[in-house]
Amino acid sequence: RKEVEQDPGPFNVPEGATVAFNCTYSNSASQSFFWYRQDCRKEPKLLMSVYSSGNEDGRFTAQLNRASQYISLLIRDSKLSDSATYLCVVNMESGGSYIPTFGRGTSLIVHP
Amino acid sequence: NAGVTQTPKFRVLKTGQSMTLLCAQDMNHEYMYWYRQDPGMGLRLIHYSVGEGTTAKGEVPDGYNVSRLKKQNFLLGLESAAPSQTSVYFCASSYRSDRVGAFFGQGTRLTVV
Repeated sequence: RKEVEQDPGPFNVPEGATVAFNCTYSNSASQSFFWYRQDCRKEPKLLMSVYSSGNEDGRFTAQLNRASQYISLLIRDSKLSDSATYLCVVNMESGGSYIPTFGRGTSLIVHP
Repeated sequence: NAGVTQTPKFRVLKTGQSMTLLCAQDMNHEYMYWYRQDPGMGLRLIHYSVGEGTTAKGEVPDGYNVSRLKKQNFLLGLESAAPSQTSVYFCASSYRSDRVGAFFGQGTRLTVV
């Protein structure tokens, strides 16, 4: 079982729609969580950190549920340019260091 | 400010050949990582380093070696390339704090024939 699990999708939504992705993680001691965006054949780029109280950045909202060990990403008013793969990242403890561990990603396709 | 730079961007190797991938960062980050990305597998950690002169194994270290002689550079070596090592390789770096995310290089597309 992978330590960070995501639904690979694809999520196919029309412009303007609201879409949400979930990600579950196995290590309850994990402290730091992130969402990255990866465009086709490009490197992953940090989209936003996920804080315990939840946080918002424009059309994007990230939330953390420690009890159920999952994080979520909500995208409102989807744009064509939001089409990408969204990677869930959990910093897992390893020998006193915290190492970014990636989910396999969720593909989002926004169509006109 | 270049961020994280990987060289080369593309390479084709024959089975059994060796090569070194170079990662350089100019952000004074303590941590550096090498990942490989294969279709359907996501990013998997090969090796990582938490500081100059230190390295550690990740999830898929077999067939690779690394060195971090200088803080800004992290080298990934393939001593005897195999077709199973055909992949996209990403280097990343981050600050020591686990509260911040990592920054990635543009990737190296390696094909082993």
